Amino acid sequence: QVQLQESGPRLVKPSETLSLTCTVSGGSISGYYWNWIRQPPGKGLEWIGFVYDRGTTSYNPALKSRVTISEDTSKNQFFLNLTSVTAADTAIYFCAKHKGTAFDPWGQGTLVTVSS
Amino acid sequence: QSALTQPPSASGSPGQSVTISCTGTSSDVGGYNSVSWYQQKPGKAPKLMIYEVTKRPSGVPDRFSGSRSGNTASLTVSGLQAEDEADYYCSSFAGSSSWVFGGGTKLTVL
Repeated sequence: QVQLQESGPRLVKPSETLSLTCTVSGGSISGYYWNWIRQPPGKGLEWIGFVYDRGTTSYNPALKSRVTISEDTSKNQFFLNLTSVTAADTAIYFCAKHKGTAFDPWGQGTLVTVSS
Repeated sequence: QSALTQPPSASGSPGQSVTISCTGTSSDVGGYNSVSWYQQKPGKAPKLMIYEVTKRPSGVPDRFSGSRSGNTASLTVSGLQAEDEADYYCSSFAGSSSWVFGGGTKLTVL
């Protein structure tokens, strides 16, 4: 079965770029939609965006100017870059696969803190 | 693209039924058969419980069911058990290749 694992720096300074990697095992990433979703501590879920099929992307309009999602099919990984971060970007970041019209499965999530 | 509206909390006693609502618009919940529900326990990733409004993934107890009326989707948990205590989130396709979540509902089993 497909499993996802997030990795990347846990602490990012304000105004810098948050960069995360999602490594997929148990199946190829080719031909599927792969998403990033975040959850500020104690708050709800927010869809960030997805990458599909060699680079087709879609982003949350509220984050679109700062987000880039990409993939490397040779490594079975996809990536999140979020620029010009502030404390409001502190959150647990999840990667997830699209299963039809839903998100399943999810990675375990990684907490990224924005602080100097 | 606004978040879907869920009640912040819901509760019920063991064995009872509880329904959690998720209200959107005709541009999301009411416009597509793409509503899904997730259960999240503390420190864990969300788990898919319902997809395409009414469908249950394998392994999810049939105590969990989904429905929709107009722009409001609902998740019903029948025969409440202590293990059902968790946060529940709805999600919907919102057009233009975008997705939106609800604010979440904390379900307490009394």
